[in-house]
Amino acid sequence: KQEVTQIPAALSVPEGENLVLNCSFTDSAIYNLQWFRQDPGKGLTSLLLIQSSQREQTSGRLNASLDKSSGRSTLYIAASQPGDSATYLCAVLMDSSYKLIFGSGTRLLVRP
Amino acid sequence: SQTIHQWPATLVQPVGSPLSLECTVEGTSNPNLYWYRQAAGRGLQLLFYSVGIGQISSEVPQNLSASRPQDRQFILSSKKLLLSDSGFYLCAWSGQGRQPQHFGDGTRLSIL
Repeated sequence: KQEVTQIPAALSVPEGENLVLNCSFTDSAIYNLQWFRQDPGKGLTSLLLIQSSQREQTSGRLNASLDKSSGRSTLYIAASQPGDSATYLCAVLMDSSYKLIFGSGTRLLVRP
Repeated sequence: SQTIHQWPATLVQPVGSPLSLECTVEGTSNPNLYWYRQAAGRGLQLLFYSVGIGQISSEVPQNLSASRPQDRQFILSSKKLLLSDSGFYLCAWSGQGRQPQHFGDGTRLSIL
């Protein structure tokens, strides 16, 4: 059974810092991995999607990496801003299913 | 462009009352549709998904049911709500196959 874990559960950083969010998964038979952002009381916004054959994806100040064999992904946020404050979720889509399996998220606060 | 609508945004219901949450998608045809629940302190969990009209797959046994009466309409229902049904319900759609999932803004359901 696939389990997705995100560390840390919460993170508080001053504005301008570079930071890394971690995601690990137990079953490497994934189709892809996605990073989402969730603002309080809101739905999910997709940030980056990495196919299982890819190593990384970049969008603006965000860079996501994937090491499928070790079951790890990281989301790197450069030059953090207060507007980056949100909960970040990673989710994997298995080869054998339509189901996205989510981690519990990292709640990020960027202090001005 | 494609859009997804969920309503209501918030709902407060007494225990034992019925439930109907609606989700509609515009700008695409024959989408895959999904219902997820996010309970307090827990990750997102897939409840139901549908690959076509009248085709519903249930991921977890529960007090809820889903229906897809039209191609772009997905309804989550219950005949009698339980306290444990409280949570944040998210609808999502994707293209056929394992395309990225796009989420609605969610419904906050509180059971009293």
